[in-house]
Amino acid sequence: GQQVMQIPQYQHVQEGEDFTTYCNSSTTLSNIQWYKQRPGGHPVFLIQLVKSGEVKKQKRLTFQFGEAKKNSSLHITATQTTDVGTYFCNSGNTGKLIFGQGTTLQVKP
Amino acid sequence: DTGVSQNPRHKITKRGQNVTFRCDPISEHNRLYWYRQTLGQGPEFLTYFQNEAQLEKSRLLSDRFSAERPKGSFSTLEIQRTEQGDSAMYLCASSLPGQYYGYTFGSGTRLTVV
Repeated sequence: GQQVMQIPQYQHVQEGEDFTTYCNSSTTLSNIQWYKQRPGGHPVFLIQLVKSGEVKKQKRLTFQFGEAKKNSSLHITATQTTDVGTYFCNSGNTGKLIFGQGTTLQVKP
Repeated sequence: DTGVSQNPRHKITKRGQNVTFRCDPISEHNRLYWYRQTLGQGPEFLTYFQNEAQLEKSRLLSDRFSAERPKGSFSTLEIQRTEQGDSAMYLCASSLPGQYYGYTFGSGTRLTVV
């Protein structure tokens, strides 16, 4: 799989604030997948982006794939305590996904 | 199918003992993956199968680790002569073949080596 770098590693926000995590690659990606892992839980597949410049929304979550297909972002509007967890981005052209450390989001009520 | 099932959920073993974990993937998924995760880290790739064929095994994996998927359905992961450093959550995931399908993870088996 193709490894991507994700920033920030940690983010603490007040409930109601927005949150963004970014994924960057030095090479063009075929696709990008996003996963969420709640504390004590297992990774859960959120979404996949394939097309250049693609934007997808899931309620308060907005996912973008860059025009050059080298970066992606996940933006959460008006965070809630249920958004707490670690968000991973991944890309894979063949075989397996390689997970980085992700971005861990803490939300203060 | 209700998802990916892993057994047992928890395993405590003494150092030096062998342990075996089982994973039952979603039935129509012919790809199956094993990952290991320690606190504060992302899942670390161990190995994966397409049907019964083991296509790749991490070079970081010692010879004490072996995985099988004999009939292309469930899989087992065995750790021989466990060490304290093997303590981790072992996650299994399955997917349809190809890069454009998301993984479905099981709840994992938490191994504690004492």
